[in-house]
Amino acid sequence: GAGVSQSPSNKVTEKGKDVELRCDPISGHTALYWYRQRLGQGLEFLIYFQGNSAPDKSGLPSDRFSAERTGESVSTLTIQRTQQEDSAVYLCASSSVEVKRGKQFFGPGTRLTVL
Amino acid sequence: KQEVTQIPAALSVPEGENLVLNCSFTDSAIYNLQWFRQDPGKGLTSLLLIQSSQREQTSGRLNASLDKSSGRSTLYIAASQPGDSATYLCAVTGDSWGKLQFGAGTQVVVTP
Repeated sequence: GAGVSQSPSNKVTEKGKDVELRCDPISGHTALYWYRQRLGQGLEFLIYFQGNSAPDKSGLPSDRFSAERTGESVSTLTIQRTQQEDSAVYLCASSSVEVKRGKQFFGPGTRLTVL
Repeated sequence: KQEVTQIPAALSVPEGENLVLNCSFTDSAIYNLQWFRQDPGKGLTSLLLIQSSQREQTSGRLNASLDKSSGRSTLYIAASQPGDSATYLCAVTGDSWGKLQFGAGTQVVVTP
C-alpha cells in the first residue's frame, strides 16, 4: 500500500481482556517499530523488528506485552490481561533497511481504551 | 539516559507570524534528529530530518537547525498559516537501530 496501515482504528475493551493490534508496513520496508502515546505524554518506544534479526524488546513495559512479525510483513502487538493504564494510542512505523538512520513512516494509530 | 524536552508546551500566534519551536536533548551522542507534525486522529508526518553531521535542513517554509554540542534544535516556520495548527514533535535516535526518543511536543494554534 501507499502507507503504513493499522487496525483497528479504535478498540474499547474491558479490563482483563486480551487485545491484538495489527500493523501493515510499507511494502519493502524491513524495519518496523511500535510506539505508545498515553494521554498528555510523549511517545514511548515499545519494540523494533529489523528483518530476520532478533527484535529489540527493550521498551515493552511488562510481560503482558508481546509482538510478532513474520518476515517483512504484518506485525501484531498483543496485550494480555489489559489494565486501565494500557489505554493509549499505539503507533506503528516502518523504515527502509538501506537507510537505518532514515525517516520512519508512521501509521494513523490504534486508540485503545480499557474500561 | 537520553531526555528530550520541548519548550513551549503550547503556542498561539496570529496568522503571518513566524513560529519558533525549541527542542533540547541531554545526550549529544545522537545519530539524527527529526521533526514531526501530529494532527488529531492521524499519525505522525515527518517534516525534516537532520543528520548529526549537519547544521540545518530546509523544506519550503520550514527550517530546522541543530547544535549537537549544546543539545539543541530549533524549528522555524515562516509566515504561519491556520493550516500549520498541529502538535510538533522532535525526536532523536541514539544508535543505528533508529528507535526514536520523543519530546512531549509543542501544540501550535495559528489564528486567522
